[in-house]
Amino acid sequence: AQSVTQPDIHITVSEGASLELRCNYSYGATPYLFWYVQSPGQGLQLLLKYFSGDTLVQGIKGFEAEFKRSQSSFNLRKPSVHWSDAAEYFCAVGANTNAGKSTFGDGTTLTVKP
Amino acid sequence: NAGVMQNPRHLVRRRGQEARLRCSPMKGHSHVYWYRQLPEEGLKFMVYLQKENIIDESGMPKERFSAEFPKEGPSILRIQQVVRGDSAAYFCASSPKGDGGTQYFGPGTRLLVL
Repeated sequence: AQSVTQPDIHITVSEGASLELRCNYSYGATPYLFWYVQSPGQGLQLLLKYFSGDTLVQGIKGFEAEFKRSQSSFNLRKPSVHWSDAAEYFCAVGANTNAGKSTFGDGTTLTVKP
Repeated sequence: NAGVMQNPRHLVRRRGQEARLRCSPMKGHSHVYWYRQLPEEGLKFMVYLQKENIIDESGMPKERFSAEFPKEGPSILRIQQVVRGDSAAYFCASSPKGDGGTQYFGPGTRLLVL
């Protein structure tokens, strides 16, 4: 069975500082990996995804993530955080099958200090 | 191309009543997924449907919950005899293929059971 762990429940960074949100997954084959962002009371917006190929993927809003098979990780990074990045971030793994539900981590809440 | 639409956005029910949540997938998408997000938690898979078929309902509670995706019209998630523990945000996602690839999420329905 697939699973996702986001070890950090809450992270606070200063505006302009760099950011890394951790994500570890468990899946028997090469997974599909996703990062979503959710603002309070809103739905989920896809930031980026990894299916295959280049292990460093670029997303929207200046985010990037790196797939490391040896570490079963897919950490999200941003070099300089903006106040508008404050939100909840979810990592998800999709089953590479014909019943492709996604399994989500419990999320990391990002607070940005001025 | 309109995104995934869900209605109502907010729903208040008293214990014992029925709740009906609707999801219209993106145009051309025939795969629909329902997820539930309890307060302070990530999204949990409930059910995966294609037109007129339930493909995977492994995340659905065994009682009171049902889902359908008819040939015509939106997908419906139905909760009978709601209890306070059903209070949550319910998200629908659609995809053109059920292969674990990108799912497009609706804005969610926030159910409050009094």
